[in-house]
Amino acid sequence: QVQLVESGGGVVPPGRSLRLSCAASGFSFSPYGMHWVRQAPGKGLEWVAVIWYDGSDEYYADSVKGRFTISRDNSKSTLYLQMNSLRAADTAVYYCARAVYNNGWYPDYWGQGTLVTVSS
Amino acid sequence: SYVLTQPPSVSVAPGQTASISCGGNNIGSKSVNWYQQKPGQAPVLVVYDDSDRPSGIPERFSGSNSGNTATLTINSVEAGDEADYYCQVWDSGSDHVVFGGGTKLTVL
Repeated sequence: QVQLVESGGGVVPPGRSLRLSCAASGFSFSPYGMHWVRQAPGKGLEWVAVIWYDGSDEYYADSVKGRFTISRDNSKSTLYLQMNSLRAADTAVYYCARAVYNNGWYPDYWGQGTLVTVSS
Repeated sequence: SYVLTQPPSVSVAPGQTASISCGGNNIGSKSVNWYQQKPGQAPVLVVYDDSDRPSGIPERFSGSNSGNTATLTINSVEAGDEADYYCQVWDSGSDHVVFGGGTKLTVL
């Protein structure tokens, strides 16, 4: 079955960097796009970024553009999110999700998430 | 940017029908997906492409989409359906995923 396991979360001071990973298994990783979606404590879902199946294109939410970078290694079936210049507002559970295309890329399977806390 | 509007909360008695709306400009021209999220858990896709159900999702869950409103309908609501529900579309103008603000379904 599809499994997505995020890692790399933790407590980080404002202005610092963190890299999240998402290990995929149970399906062929390379034909699928991938998303990062976050959820601040007690808040709704906020889309962060998407990357095409081959890494040829990527798009970002305005709130993270220029600070976050999504990437992937298809040989390792792993998705990444490099987060720089972190702010308190970036505190959230970060989910990776597989992207399926139907009139646009939508998330179907989700990981359990990893918590990022930005605090001094 | 494209905006999706959901009611913050919906309440329904067990066995009754719950309807959760998702409003957006000409949303009927887009494919709408719905997610269920229970406390402490990851979201689960319950309806995709307006009205299709992934395998394993009960037939009690259905969706519709027309004009400026999409609707998730849950028939014969059970206590286990109590959760937050989010609608979602792809905004082709910006190549962004857009989520609604979420609706908390309470089973009385």
